[in-house]
Amino acid sequence: EAQVTQNPRYLITVTGKKLTVTCSQNMNHEYMSWYRQDPGLGLRQIYYSMNVEVTDKGDVPEGYKVSRKEKRNFPLILESPSPNQTSLYFCASSSSGRASNEQFFGPGTRLTVL
Amino acid sequence: AQSVSQHNHHVILSEAASLELGCNYSYGGTVNLFWYVQYPGQHLQLLLKYFSGDPLVKGIKGFEAEFIKSKFSFNLRKPSVQWSDTAEYFCAVTIYGGSQGNLIFGKGTKLSVKP
Repeated sequence: EAQVTQNPRYLITVTGKKLTVTCSQNMNHEYMSWYRQDPGLGLRQIYYSMNVEVTDKGDVPEGYKVSRKEKRNFPLILESPSPNQTSLYFCASSSSGRASNEQFFGPGTRLTVL
Repeated sequence: AQSVSQHNHHVILSEAASLELGCNYSYGGTVNLFWYVQYPGQHLQLLLKYFSGDPLVKGIKGFEAEFIKSKFSFNLRKPSVQWSDTAEYFCAVTIYGGSQGNLIFGKGTKLSVKP
């Protein structure tokens, strides 16, 4: 089954403790992206990747890092999480970065930083 | 900066009522337009999209949307809603040039359908 998977689905952590949220897709997609969803703000893009080893900042990149060493994986790294990063995070992928391509979303990771 | 506006934060309807959710975007160039739906506790799913051709597009589950270029609008419609349509709906746009493929989302509209 074609899908985007994320792990973990739920995470409670404390300020400053480094964490990684994994994202994997099995559709051989070139383009991958991370979004955060906050009430009343919709979804905002954190980082995106047009292909392996090619990443770039989205609208809200502060406090996050990403890497794209393999085509299928696009982990989101929080080196020193803070409470304002408490949010619902979605990974997405599409066949390419073309503007007309549909993006497929993962199930989401709900992060709470205490 | 480009933005997407959704006019209603929360819409409450009874079953069988007609639905129209407003969406406007601010960008003068070529765009692709999308409506995504998020059912409670689930991830986003694509309802429909427009990138060229007939401005009236039909999506899944009886939804349709009309692109009106002169009004920078892409409103979502359904003639008769069901309780199972209770969800949050997001309008989104991608633009040609710049960071292609990057979805710019509206803030979402929650739809509650009373049985």
